[in-house]
Amino acid sequence: SQQGEEDPQALSIQEGENATMNCSYKTSINNLQWYRQNSGRGLVHLILIRSNEREKHSGRLRVTLDTSKKSSSLLITASRAADTASYFCATNGDSNYQLIWGAGTKLIIKP
Amino acid sequence: GAVVSQHPSWVICKSGTSVKIECRSLDFQATTMFWYRQFPKQSLMLMATSNEGSKATYEQGVEKDKFLINHASLTLSTLTVTSAHPEDSSFYICSARRSLGNEQFFGPGTRLTVL
Repeated sequence: SQQGEEDPQALSIQEGENATMNCSYKTSINNLQWYRQNSGRGLVHLILIRSNEREKHSGRLRVTLDTSKKSSSLLITASRAADTASYFCATNGDSNYQLIWGAGTKLIIKP
Repeated sequence: GAVVSQHPSWVICKSGTSVKIECRSLDFQATTMFWYRQFPKQSLMLMATSNEGSKATYEQGVEKDKFLINHASLTLSTLTVTSAHPEDSSFYICSARRSLGNEQFFGPGTRLTVL
């Protein structure tokens, strides 16, 4: 089920600019994950941040987590045309496996 | 609409045996199905993309001969874990995509335990 919310729903920026996407959730979590989906392709895991972490980096990606506000942000720095995709957040709570998904943000990078 | 089923929902097998997992789109035709595996409280890892009538495309690091995928019809894809070992124990999830559109519909998953 999709109980998380992501904003914006769609984002279009120029290549080279930074892109920020936000995710809010409703329940307590064990971890929060970000995924990318290129059009017609499978979901690709980007980064997982645990509930006791506040920030995590992976290459040009920076994820923050604020459990007090039940929100997370994904920052892509120095965007490239290849970053054009939909980005989803998913939270993992008490269940070992069940993920609760956000609706996704469609990111378009203009060359 | 847009329901995806998986069978079995859980399976326990002995090391060295093969296990087949089915993924079915019940009320739509799925030209593409995706297979993922997930460890407890971990992320989904894409294993392969399965297109009806053609060979599956495997992600880097996934053994083709170990995880056999067949997408024989527009409503059925199967994943066979051959010569399963305890390290193959995981949660396997499929998703299906309609002919048109980008949305994926997930199956409920299959929990595999290899003794």
